[in-house]
Amino acid sequence: DIQLTQSPSTLPASVGDRVTITCRASQSISKWLAWYQQKPGKAPKLLIYKASTLETGVPLRFSGSGSGTEFTLTITSLQPDDFGTYYCQEYSSYSWTFGLGTKVEIK
Amino acid sequence: QEQLVESGGGVVQPGGSLKLSCTASAFIFRNYGLHWVRQAPGKGPEWVAFVRYDGSNEYYADAVKGRFTVSRDTSKNILFLQMNSLRGDDSALYYCAKSADGSAADAFDIWGQGTMVTVSS
Repeated sequence: DIQLTQSPSTLPASVGDRVTITCRASQSISKWLAWYQQKPGKAPKLLIYKASTLETGVPLRFSGSGSGTEFTLTITSLQPDDFGTYYCQEYSSYSWTFGLGTKVEIK
Repeated sequence: QEQLVESGGGVVQPGGSLKLSCTASAFIFRNYGLHWVRQAPGKGPEWVAFVRYDGSNEYYADAVKGRFTVSRDTSKNILFLQMNSLRGDDSALYYCAKSADGSAADAFDIWGQGTMVTVSS
C-alpha cells in the first residue's frame, strides 16, 4: 500500500504569511494527488486535484505542485478563513490513502 | 446544489451489525462512483469502500474487507454500507463522498455531513 507523509504536522502562521505544506508518497503516484481542507465539525473540502488543478470556487491564493513522490500545497497569503487542517490524498489506484494532516494554526 | 445526506448511525455492541444509507440529490447518481470514508475523533480521514458508477465493482480497505459491503440503489439515488462484525476500532464518523469521475479512481468532490457510529458494550 502507498503511504503518504505530510510535513509539518502543525504549522503556526499569521495572516498574510506564505504557507507551504509537503506531502511525500512512498512510491510514484504520477499526478494523482488531491488536497483537502477541513474545519472542525465539517467534512473535508476538495481544494486541488491532479496535483495542481484548482477545484471550482477555490481562491487563487491556493496552489499545488509536484509529481511522482513529492508534492506541495502553497497558500500565498494566509487569510483568517484558511486556518484548519489540510490533508493530501492519493488516488493512483483503487485504494485511496490520506496523509495524517497538517494543522495550520494561529501563531 | 449537489448534496449527500447520510443516515443510520448509532450505538452498536461489538460483533453487531449496522446499515448506513446515503441519499444523493442534484446530480446524475448513475454517472458517478461513490465512496464511504470514516474519521475517528481526532484522526484523519480513512477511506473505507468504493462502488463504481454502475455497481459493477466494489473496492474495500483491508481493515473492513469481508465485514463491510457497499451497494447502491440507482432507482432511489441511495448508497448503502452494510457493516457486520463491528469492532471498537470501527467507531467513527462515516461520510459518503462522490467521486469526481464515474469509473476511474479520482478525488472526492462532494461530501456528506457524516453519521456517527459508536461500537461499545
